Amino acid sequence: AQRVTQPEKLLSVFKGAPVELKCNYSYSGSPELFWYVQYSRQRLQLLLRHISRESIKGFTADLNKGETSFHLKKPFAQEEDSAMYYCALRGTGANNLFFGTGTRLTVIP
Amino acid sequence: NAGVMQNPRHLVRRRGQEARLRCSPMKGHSHVYWYRQLPEEGLKFMVYLQKENIIDESGMPKERFSAEFPKEGPSILRIQQVVRGDSAAYFCASSPPSHLGEQYFGPGTRLTVT
Repeated sequence: AQRVTQPEKLLSVFKGAPVELKCNYSYSGSPELFWYVQYSRQRLQLLLRHISRESIKGFTADLNKGETSFHLKKPFAQEEDSAMYYCALRGTGANNLFFGTGTRLTVIP
Repeated sequence: NAGVMQNPRHLVRRRGQEARLRCSPMKGHSHVYWYRQLPEEGLKFMVYLQKENIIDESGMPKERFSAEFPKEGPSILRIQQVVRGDSAAYFCASSPPSHLGEQYFGPGTRLTVT
């Protein structure tokens, strides 16, 4: 069975500090991993996907198959990064996304 | 492109009534997904539709819930005889045929059952 775990419901960091939002997954095949973000009063939107290997808004995430993790990182947090972050998995050939419970990031000025 | 549209944004129903939630996908997207988010939980997949076809309804409750995506018009998620446990945020997403994992979400409909 597939499972996405985000162990931290809440995470607070100071502006300019590094931030890491944890995501661990359980899946027997080769999944596709995503990070979605929801800013206050906005809709859920795709932040990045592991196959793109790109940096969006200073965030990066590397898929670690050995540790089955896909942690989201940013070296210097900004106030506008405060939002709800969801890690999501799409199984091989699957139609839908499987979401974690989310982490609310607060960047303290 | 206006993005995925959902209406209503808020819906209040008494127990036993019917709820109809609408979703218009992004222009050019023929794949629609419905997710439900209960308080303190992540989004849970309900159903995946293409025009006039239900492709995967493995996440739908067996009773009272149905979904359609007609040839013309929006996708509809219908909940009959609502109960308090149906209170949740219901999100619709759409994707282009070539990137099923890259889903674009609507603002959601918050259903409250009194």
